[in-house]
Amino acid sequence: AQSVTQPDIHITVSEGASLELRCNYSYGATPYLFWYVQSPGQGLQLLLKYFSGDTLVQGIKGFEAEFKRSQSSFNLRKPSVHWSDAAEYFCAVSDFGNYGGSQGNLIFGKGTKLSVKP
Amino acid sequence: EAQVTQNPRYLITVTGKKLTVTCSQNMNHEYMSWYRQDPGLGLRQIYYSMNVEVTDKGDVPEGYKVSRKEKRNFPLILESPSPNQTSLYFCASSHPWDRDHEQYFGPGTRLTVT
Repeated sequence: AQSVTQPDIHITVSEGASLELRCNYSYGATPYLFWYVQSPGQGLQLLLKYFSGDTLVQGIKGFEAEFKRSQSSFNLRKPSVHWSDAAEYFCAVSDFGNYGGSQGNLIFGKGTKLSVKP
Repeated sequence: EAQVTQNPRYLITVTGKKLTVTCSQNMNHEYMSWYRQDPGLGLRQIYYSMNVEVTDKGDVPEGYKVSRKEKRNFPLILESPSPNQTSLYFCASSHPWDRDHEQYFGPGTRLTVT
């Protein structure tokens, strides 16, 4: 069965510092991978997605993520964190890598809460 | 504007009183889904629908019902709510055959059952 692991429940970084949020997935075929952000009291916003091609994908708000098949990872990075980046971040995998048989359901990790120190 | 709407956004109710949370999308999406979000557990799928009159259970379907009589609507029904269904609920939709399969989420419904 597919699964997503976000090893870090809570991370605190200083404003201006770099950020890396870890995500590991378990899926037999080529995964479709997503990162979502949820600001306090808000809904989910898609940051970026990967489904094929270049393994380094760029997203909104200066985020990027790198797909590493050998490590089953899809880590999210940002070179310089802003106070407004404080939020909860969710990694998700879709089983829609296999056409003709999957439902395209999203499996979410449990989330990583990011706090930003001034 | 393409969007997924949910109503109500906030609801406080009592144990056993039937309620319905509505979800509607204006993008002609075939696929719709309900998730619940609980602290430390992330989002877990309740039910999903691949098209009109086609629904199936997700990971946590107990205590919930859904229906899909029209393509645009996918209501979530709690026939006898219990306190353990206090949660934040999200509806989502997509074209399942879009190559990148992006799901669009509604704004969420915060439900409290006392």
